[in-house]
Amino acid sequence: NAGVTQTPKFRVLKTGQSMTLLCAQDMNHEYMYWYRQDPGMGLRLIHYSVGEGTTAKGEVPDGYNVSRKKKQNFLLGLESAAPSQTSVYFCASSSGLASNEQFFGPGTRLTVL
Amino acid sequence: GQNIDQPTEMTATEGAIVQINCTYQTSGFNGLFWYQQHAGEAPTFLSYNVLDGLEEKGRFSSFLSRSKGYSYLLLKELQMKDSASYLCAAMDSNYQLIWGAGTKLIIKP
Repeated sequence: NAGVTQTPKFRVLKTGQSMTLLCAQDMNHEYMYWYRQDPGMGLRLIHYSVGEGTTAKGEVPDGYNVSRKKKQNFLLGLESAAPSQTSVYFCASSSGLASNEQFFGPGTRLTVL
Repeated sequence: GQNIDQPTEMTATEGAIVQINCTYQTSGFNGLFWYQQHAGEAPTFLSYNVLDGLEEKGRFSSFLSRSKGYSYLLLKELQMKDSASYLCAAMDSNYQLIWGAGTKLIIKP
């Protein structure tokens, strides 16, 4: 099992460009999450999904959109990148909500110039 | 507001014991998680507490006091590979995790 995978691993964008980050999991998990991690701050939830075809906003959703057309995939889009979106992005998945651990992908390091 | 506090950095000696503290304030509470994150890698799950008391798992133990909004992670028989950041996260009433900034643990020989 590959667990949670993310593509790409690294990306450099210019301000105003768009891109999509792909997350895939092979554990048949219902719940998927997108976080960003910035120095000196905790992980912050951008968007999440509680099942195929559903998405919801997290703590910092502005400037991002998401899509979950297939249960195993969760896409994060940046329509018009800004330098404030320079960060490390982690995708995670879990089988349930409350006591269930979240499994994280390896992360995508994004730089917006 | 919701908040998690943990020390920024701690140093300990190989073979020793270290305790990493975490205090939390959340809207509702559905449990406290600890994760380990090595530099440049993804967080990995260590422990979950929802009831008061100590949970032991090998060299790692985690404690929770709900009335005090307090948890700690205890690492025994420290090894060099334990050098990492330790993330405390509390689950709020919406089942969302509120994360601390992490404690960087440096192990010295």
